[in-house]
Amino acid sequence: EVQLVESGGGWVQPGGSLRLSCAASGFTFSSYEMNWVRQAPGKGLEWISYSSTSGTTKYYGDSVRGRFTISRDNAKNSLYLQMNSLRAEDTAVYYCARNAPFELFDHWGQGTLVTVSS
Amino acid sequence: QSVLTQPPSASGTPGQRVTISCSGGSSNIGSNTVNWYKQVPGTAPRLLIHTNNQRPSGVPDRFSGSKSGTSASLAISGLQSEDEADYYCAAWDDRLNVYVAFGGGTKLTVL
Repeated sequence: EVQLVESGGGWVQPGGSLRLSCAASGFTFSSYEMNWVRQAPGKGLEWISYSSTSGTTKYYGDSVRGRFTISRDNAKNSLYLQMNSLRAEDTAVYYCARNAPFELFDHWGQGTLVTVSS
Repeated sequence: QSVLTQPPSASGTPGQRVTISCSGGSSNIGSNTVNWYKQVPGTAPRLLIHTNNQRPSGVPDRFSGSKSGTSASLAISGLQSEDEADYYCAAWDDRLNVYVAFGGGTKLTVL
C-alpha cells in the first residue's frame, strides 16, 4: 500500500525556518516524481514545488521561489521541503504528493500544518 | 486568483446528475490533460479522474470527466450524500515557472 507521511510542521515566527519531511513507503520511491502542495486555511490547493526522480530537476511556484528548497533522499525514501524566510501567508497544511505516469498527484499524504505567526 | 476557473459552488439532490466546469487556457488545459480531485473537509485530496476521463481503480463509474479545447468538466451521476465535498481540477501548465495550474475548487452540496 502506498503511504506518504509528512512531519515537521508546527508554529514558527515570521522570518523563521522550518524543514518538512515526507516519508514514503509501499512503492519504489526513486522511480517517482514528487511534489509539495499546500492549502491555506479555508482556501484552495496550491502547488508549490516539484522534484524529478533523481532530484536534479526542481520547480517552484512564484510564491515560494527563492525561499523554499525541495530535496529528496532516495536511499531514505524521503522528500523534504526546507522553508526559509517564512511569512504569515505561508500558513497552510502542506501535503506531499506523488506523480505516477500520466497521473498528476495520484497519492497524497495526510498533511502537516505550518503556522507562521508572531 | 487561481489559474483555472471553477464555479465556487454546485448542488443537487440525491440521484441527480451534476456537472462541474473547469476553464483554462492554451498553456494548460489546451495542451495538457486534466485531473480532478475530491476533498472531504479535514482530509487529504484524492485523485478522482486523470488524463481527462480516466478513473483510478476504486473510483465509481458514476464519476466521469471530459475535455474540449481549453475547458473540462466533471460529471457525477446518481448523486449520493457521500459525494458532498470540494472538487478541484488541475493540469500541467507549459508556461515558464508555473508547472501545475489548479482550479479554485467547487463546493458540492447534496441537498
